[in-house]
Amino acid sequence: AQSVAQPEDQVNVAEGNPLTVKCTYSVSGNPYLFWYVQYPNRGLQFLLKYITGDNLVKGSYGFEAEFNKSQTSFHLKKPSALVSDSALYFCAVRDLANNNDMRFGAGTRLTVKP
Amino acid sequence: SAVISQKPSRDICQRGTSLTIQCQVDSQVTMMFWYRQQPGQSLTLIATANQGSEATYESGFVIDKFPISRPNLTFSTLTVSNMSPEDSSIYLCSVLAGGSYNEQFFGPGTRLTVL
Repeated sequence: AQSVAQPEDQVNVAEGNPLTVKCTYSVSGNPYLFWYVQYPNRGLQFLLKYITGDNLVKGSYGFEAEFNKSQTSFHLKKPSALVSDSALYFCAVRDLANNNDMRFGAGTRLTVKP
Repeated sequence: SAVISQKPSRDICQRGTSLTIQCQVDSQVTMMFWYRQQPGQSLTLIATANQGSEATYESGFVIDKFPISRPNLTFSTLTVSNMSPEDSSIYLCSVLAGGSYNEQFFGPGTRLTVL
């Protein structure tokens, strides 16, 4: 079965500093990887995805993620954090072998302090 | 893309009653999913509801408790039956859209509180 792990429950950074939210994955074949963000009392919003191609994927709101096959990681990054980036971030993997459903990590709460 | 709406957006229900949540999509989609999310927690897949077939339930979820309907390609319902406080959660409808089925979109969720 495919799964993702987010080792950090919480990440705190100062505004203007770079941020990283970690994600590792476990798949039996080629991974389809995603990042979603959830703001308070809002639904999930798609940030970016990796299907194939360049290992560095750029997404919404200035976020990017780097696919690292040898380390089975797909960390989310942003060069300069904003207070408005504070939210709950979910890494997810598509399980192509199991009805195409999405498996989510436990989530990481990002807090950006002014 | 796909725009998803859910009704109701929130509800407070009594123990032992049932609530049906509606999910409406603005385009025809084959694959639709229902998730449950405790506030601030991760999403747990309840079932996959593809039009023209019976819903497929994940381990820990059964049809008698969470019956699902999928009458057409733009609509689905999830019923939470015989509710208990443990069913208090956010219920999310989600669809796969796009030619390559790589885009998954989520509804705004239904916040359920069972007293």
